[in-house]
This record gives sequence, structure tokens and C-alpha cells, in this order.
Amino acid sequence: DIQVTQSPSSLSASVGDRVSITCRASQDIRNGLAWYQQKPGKVPKRLIFGSSNLESGVPPRFSGRGSGTEFTLTISSLQPEDFATYYCLQHNRYPFSFGQGTVLEIK
Amino acid sequence: QVQLQEWGAGLVKTSETLSLTCSVSGGFLTGFYWSWIRQSPGKGLEWIGDINYSGTANYSPSLKGRVTISIDTSAKQFSLNLNSATAADTAVYYCSRGRWLSPLDYWGQGMLVAVSS
Repeated sequence: DIQVTQSPSSLSASVGDRVSITCRASQDIRNGLAWYQQKPGKVPKRLIFGSSNLESGVPPRFSGRGSGTEFTLTISSLQPEDFATYYCLQHNRYPFSFGQGTVLEIK
Repeated sequence: QVQLQEWGAGLVKTSETLSLTCSVSGGFLTGFYWSWIRQSPGKGLEWIGDINYSGTANYSPSLKGRVTISIDTSAKQFSLNLNSATAADTAVYYCSRGRWLSPLDYWGQGMLVAVSS
């Protein structure tokens, strides 16, 4: 089974900052990685799939890159509504697996 | 617009079976896989498993042996059964839709299931 390690587990940043979150897979998953944003009490929202494909309606300040075993979600200029928890999902091979999550907090 | 809605018992007794159903509206079941994900209070997301239109299911190894996912294409529903429930199965359970290279795009609102004696 493929293990997904997400880092950091928490991140403190300010509005306007550029931040990145990383997911590492224990095996080559090609481009089979998605990113989700979840706000407290809300349903997870898909931001990116296939490593770099931006979901329709998601602002372009969100971007994803990577292939193989290392992937990054970058938010180019943090907005107040971006403070949330972010998860990656490995969707290349069964069983699928989520990363542990990154809590993005306001500094 | 595709909509998914979970329903079932919100309280399950320890050692009994947790059963949930997800109803799908506004779209077709064909060509997609239909998933269950859960989130224990204050914790991260956990992939439980999925099933396709033909009834082929995949499960998380951590739950294999206790979990069964089934599909009723005529009713546009799919279901989750988790037997021998314990307090550790207390979580918000989500159903979701995916397809090859495009996972978990639409989600239900989630349903809190508590397991207690």
C-alpha cells in the first residue's frame, strides 16, 4: 500500500504570504495526487487533481505541481478565506490514501 | 448538478453494524466510482472504499473484513455496511463521486454516526 506523508502538519502565515505544502508518496504515483481544502464544519472541497489541474472556479493563486513521489500545493498570495486545513489524496493506485492534513493558521 | 445525500442511523450500538446509504441525484452512476470517506472528531480524512457501476469494490486494508460497499443502480444509491462497530468508528461519514484521474469531485454533506454502548 502507498503511504502519503504530508508536511508541515501546521503552518502559520500572514495575508499576502506565499506558502507551500508538500506530500510525499512512498511509491511512484505518477501524477495521481489531488488537493482538498476543508474549513471547520464544512465538506472538503477539491482544489486540484492530477497533480496540477485546477478545479473549475478555484482561484489561480492555488497551484499544484509534482510527479512520481513528491508533490507541492502552493498558494501564491494568501487571502483571509484561505485559512483552512488542506489534505492531499493519492488516487493513482488502490487503496487510495489521504495525507495527514496541514492546518494553515493566521499569524 | 450532481447531488449526494447520506442517510442512515446516527447512533449505533457497540458490536452492531453501522449502515449508511448515499442517494445520487442529477447525474448518472455509469462511468464513475462511488466512495465512502470518514472523519473522526478532530481528525483527518480517511478513505474507506469505493464501488463502480458494475459492483466491483475496493476497500481500505485497515477496515477490510468489516466493511462492505454495495450499489443499487436502479435506485441510484450505494451503501456502506461496517460490522462489529466500536467507539473508534464514531465519525462523520461522507459519500463522494470520482472517476479515473478525477477523484472525489462531488461530496455529500456528511453524516455524523456515533457508536456507543
